[in-house]
Amino acid sequence: DQQVKQNSPSLSVQEGRISILNCDYTNSMFDYFLWYKKYPAEGPTFLISISSIKDKNEDGRFTVFLNKSAKHLSLHIVPSQPGDSAVYFCAASDAGGTSYGKLTFGQGTILTVHP
Amino acid sequence: EAGVTQFPSHSVIEKGQTVTLRCDPISGHDNLYWYRRVMGKEIKFLLHFVKESKQDESGMPNNRFLAERTGGTYSTLKVQPAELEDSGVYFCASSRQGIWSGNTIYFGEGSWLTVV
Repeated sequence: DQQVKQNSPSLSVQEGRISILNCDYTNSMFDYFLWYKKYPAEGPTFLISISSIKDKNEDGRFTVFLNKSAKHLSLHIVPSQPGDSAVYFCAASDAGGTSYGKLTFGQGTILTVHP
Repeated sequence: EAGVTQFPSHSVIEKGQTVTLRCDPISGHDNLYWYRRVMGKEIKFLLHFVKESKQDESGMPNNRFLAERTGGTYSTLKVQPAELEDSGVYFCASSRQGIWSGNTIYFGEGSWLTVV
């Protein structure tokens, strides 16, 4: 039962262009969403998050959009840089519930940014 | 500030043997988590400590896995006896507070376990 899905296993983008990574979820109890970036042989690194009371959060080149009615979120990276090449994980939490420490992850999307 | 530290970084053991993974969280972080990722799949939650207490262990796969956090500092995750399907990367993470708006958790580099 995959509650968080990243349907694109990989994405290839030219440097300077926009990267859009997508994530869908099924559990309506999720109220906090995060994006993590992971390089090979390293642990996931926090990128950006959004609470369910918002529909957009920006941090520099990274913007996360949340569409609660569609149970969909996306991460936009503008402009994309070769150093952004990594695996990106979407994660969700029922932060207001008893499992407030549990993140449910998607399968990840491999982003490759070409110079 | 030192990050989350995990040991060993890699371990190869035979089926039926025991392995103990250790995690040192970021200093001052009461919340400690264990996650794992088996080959190519999503990262899955195992359990969550608040100080020395198990807040949520709903992700522990079976009773071959035992996690402890005596004294509320470092934690160990023991797999006994190990099976082939236990192979994967075991991530430890920590946070000062729980996961809610404005907070996040910080991951270690992971302990790679291969059971042969």
